Amino acid sequence: ETGVTQSPTHLIKTRGQQVTLRCSSQSGHNTVSWYQQALGQGPQFIFQYYREEENGRGNFPPRFSGLQFPNYSSELNVNALELDDSALYLCASSLVLADTQYFGPGTRLTVL
Amino acid sequence: SQQGEEDPQALSIQEGENATMNCSYKTSINNLQWYRQNSGRGLVHLILIRSNEREKHSGRLRVTLDTSKKSSSLLITASRAADTASYFCATEAKAGTALIFGKGTTLSVSS
Repeated sequence: ETGVTQSPTHLIKTRGQQVTLRCSSQSGHNTVSWYQQALGQGPQFIFQYYREEENGRGNFPPRFSGLQFPNYSSELNVNALELDDSALYLCASSLVLADTQYFGPGTRLTVL
Repeated sequence: SQQGEEDPQALSIQEGENATMNCSYKTSINNLQWYRQNSGRGLVHLILIRSNEREKHSGRLRVTLDTSKKSSSLLITASRAADTASYFCATEAKAGTALIFGKGTTLSVSS
């Protein structure tokens, strides 16, 4: 148990819809990162938030956006869903500049 | 894009045997980390080795790092059925930045 929680566990959406995924960081952690893991692949970095500001972004289009709240919880929003967005979405919390990131159990998103 | 490649992609062994997984990466790193993932669930951090370290141990795990060859290996000794999982290496260019993962090695340990 890492203390990082994500909701919902599973989600089914149709192409073109919008989705919001939520993450609650481990207590005391001020940095959250989001990753997308397609089936059979390793996780890919989407973006990172520190003190409510985006602090780095991977190679994902603008329809992937995020928020970090004052209590360090976070949201990942994806607009105009595409079939290829079907994946496990993982969030990870950490202290800024710390080496180790602690992952939540993930949200499995299926886009039909 | 993936930073590294794990080798082999899949590994099947008997309980009690040792399992060795290798990871290669492309760019300079601050550290390299190994994670375990059970059945498509969350990632569990196993061990971190910094770029100035060559070997690290944690229980039944032994990790080596060769920065000149841009490669690392994870050895799990005396494997158990509970070690069955996917194992990923991840590199971090600077502390606290994005982790760049490989595609993983799927380990099956049969009793």
